[in-house]
Amino acid sequence: GAVVSQHPSWVICKSGTSVKIECRSLDFQATTMFWYRQFPKQSLMLMATSNEGSKATYEQGVEKDKFLINHASLTLSTLTVTSAHPEDSSFYICSATGTSGGLTYEQYFGPGTRLTVT
Amino acid sequence: AQSVTQLGSHVSVSEGALVLLRCNYSSSVPPYLFWYVQYPNQGLQLLLKYTTGATLVKGINGFEAEFKKSETSFHLTKPSAHMSDAAEYFCAVSPANTGGFKTIFGAGTRLFVKA
Repeated sequence: GAVVSQHPSWVICKSGTSVKIECRSLDFQATTMFWYRQFPKQSLMLMATSNEGSKATYEQGVEKDKFLINHASLTLSTLTVTSAHPEDSSFYICSATGTSGGLTYEQYFGPGTRLTVT
Repeated sequence: AQSVTQLGSHVSVSEGALVLLRCNYSSSVPPYLFWYVQYPNQGLQLLLKYTTGATLVKGINGFEAEFKKSETSFHLTKPSAHMSDAAEYFCAVSPANTGGFKTIFGAGTRLFVKA
C-alpha cells in the first residue's frame, strides 16, 4: 500500500517557540491531506483538511493562526504549531489521499509526531 | 451529522478466544465504515472498510466486520485472538458523499490478550 511519512517522529520544544511537522506521501500524489490530534488514551480529532495549492479548511474550534497548515506540493504538507504552549503537547497524525495512475487512494495515515512543549 | 460509539474502552480476551469489538454509528447519509488498529506510538493501520455491496467485510490479520443497517452496527470480530492483536482499535464513519474522507473516529477500544 501507499506510504505516508512524518518528520520528526518526536520533538521537544520550549514554550513560546514554533515547531514544524512535515507529512509526506512517498509513492503517490496526495491531493488531500488531513491533520489529526490525539490526546493520551483518546481518539483522533480532525484539525484540518488541506488540498494542494489551496488554503486549509479548519474544523470548528481549531485556531488557524496557531496551527498553520501549508500544502504546497502534491507530496508535502506541513503543520506549524506557532507560539507553542504545554497544552499543545499531543500526538499529531497526518493522513493523505489522492490519485496515481488513474487509481484513487484511500486515506493512508502517517506514523505520527509526538510533540512535547516544556 | 455522524457519530461513532464504541462499547467498552477495554476488552480482555484469552489467546485463542473470540474477539468481539462493538461499534455503533449514527449517520444522516449512507456511511462508509472503517476499523483501524493503532499500536503504541504509531499511526493508524486500516483493518477493513465497508463502502457498498457485501455487508460482511473481511480484512487483514483475520479480522472481519458486518454492516448491519437495521442495528446501525459494524462490530469487529476475529475467531481466535493472538498475542500480537493487543492494540487500540478505532471504529470510524465517514459520509459516503465525501468520498469517505471526512472521517469521524470512535473513542477507541483497547484490546488486551492474555496468555
